[in-house]
Amino acid sequence: GNSVTQMEGPVTLSEEAFLTINCTYTATGYPSLFWYVQYPGEGLQLLLKATKADDKGSNKGFEATYRKETTSFHLEKGSVQVSDSAVYFCALAGSSYKLIFGSGTRLLVRP
Amino acid sequence: GAVVSQHPSRVICKSGTSVKIECRSLDFQATTMFWYRQFPKKSLMLMATSNEGSKATYEQGVEKDKFLINHASLTLSTLTVTSAHPEDSSFYICSARDLGTYSYNEQFFGPGTRLTVL
Repeated sequence: GNSVTQMEGPVTLSEEAFLTINCTYTATGYPSLFWYVQYPGEGLQLLLKATKADDKGSNKGFEATYRKETTSFHLEKGSVQVSDSAVYFCALAGSSYKLIFGSGTRLLVRP
Repeated sequence: GAVVSQHPSRVICKSGTSVKIECRSLDFQATTMFWYRQFPKKSLMLMATSNEGSKATYEQGVEKDKFLINHASLTLSTLTVTSAHPEDSSFYICSARDLGTYSYNEQFFGPGTRLTVL
């Protein structure tokens, strides 16, 4: 079945550091891929998405490229801010429209 | 953008009582809504898929009689936790699919409801 694997957290960085959160997936067909962010005490917000191979999703300085050859969708940001501290979830959606989530990666950015 | 609300945001109840959680799509129509459960510091677990005007489809291991789902209109789905027990305490999150973004499999999430059963 479909699945998503994320790197274990927490990830602790200093402000302005480079961020990478790894995400790989297993799926049949051609799923859509998503990154969601959850701030403390809140629900999930869509951060970015990609619907086909080689697509690059981007938003708020975050980027992720849909790599079919490596079945990956790694999240990157060149310079993190304290306000980026949150939990990040990688997810995929196949033909059934159900979202399959990774386990989440907590990011803590220190001033 | 597409906005989904949930009510209440927090609820505390006694063991054995029932609790209803509402999920509304505020500015779009949602033929399909999803209910998730999130345990502390864990990922989201899909509980059921709710389709307007028909019975919900539950994931394996989720008790239908305990978690009653009703999707009476294109903008409202409700989750009722019946005879709640402390182990039902969790963060419940709903999401909705926007008819307009059908092809992208995109879901919009509510802010969640924190249920505490004493």
